[in-house]
Amino acid sequence: AQKVTQAQTEISVVEKEDVTLDCVYETRDTTYYLFWYKQPPSGELVFLIRRNSFDEQNEISGRYSWNFQKSTSSFNFTITASQVVDSAVYFCALSWNNQGGKLIFGQGTELSVKP
Amino acid sequence: DTGVSQDPRHKITKRGQNVTFRCDPISEHNRLYWYRQTLGQGPEFLTYFQNEAQLEKSRLLSDRFSAERPKGSFSTLEIQRTEQGDSAMYLCASSWNPASGPYEQYFGPGTRLTVT
Repeated sequence: AQKVTQAQTEISVVEKEDVTLDCVYETRDTTYYLFWYKQPPSGELVFLIRRNSFDEQNEISGRYSWNFQKSTSSFNFTITASQVVDSAVYFCALSWNNQGGKLIFGQGTELSVKP
Repeated sequence: DTGVSQDPRHKITKRGQNVTFRCDPISEHNRLYWYRQTLGQGPEFLTYFQNEAQLEKSRLLSDRFSAERPKGSFSTLEIQRTEQGDSAMYLCASSWNPASGPYEQYFGPGTRLTVT
């Protein structure tokens, strides 16, 4: 069965600290897709990144970076020099080809960045 | 470029009443999804459409729930005989899905349902 686990329920950091959000996934499919979404207090889910299972290259976008490791079934998300505006709930999600692209979400990690 | 819109944003109803929500996807997107999110949880898949065809329904979707997407444009989600357990945020998302695999889904602001 497909499953996404985000073991960290809440993380609190002080502004400018680096923070890593963990995501571990389970799937029997060899072709799958991983996503990160941000849900700020306003409630609307915001797409951050999509990765294919056959592309393990890490990605950096500004202060955000993602580390995809198939060997450990992990897709971790790091925010460098965190800012108060990064405070939100972050969700990792999994999709695969045979199920119409529906997303299976983790429980989410609530990140609080204090000034 | 407008995103996904949902209406209403909030709905308070009494147990036993019927409610209907509307979702307008991004215009060029061929897939439309409905999810439900309760407090402290990630969204859970309910159903999805490719154009006007409803291709999958979750076991979470009881017989009291029905969804439509006439003409492959906007979609409606109806809940009949609402129960207190239906209280949740109902999220709509849309995406463009070519043969190469699922693309990212873009979410609307959600409809928060409170059943009293």
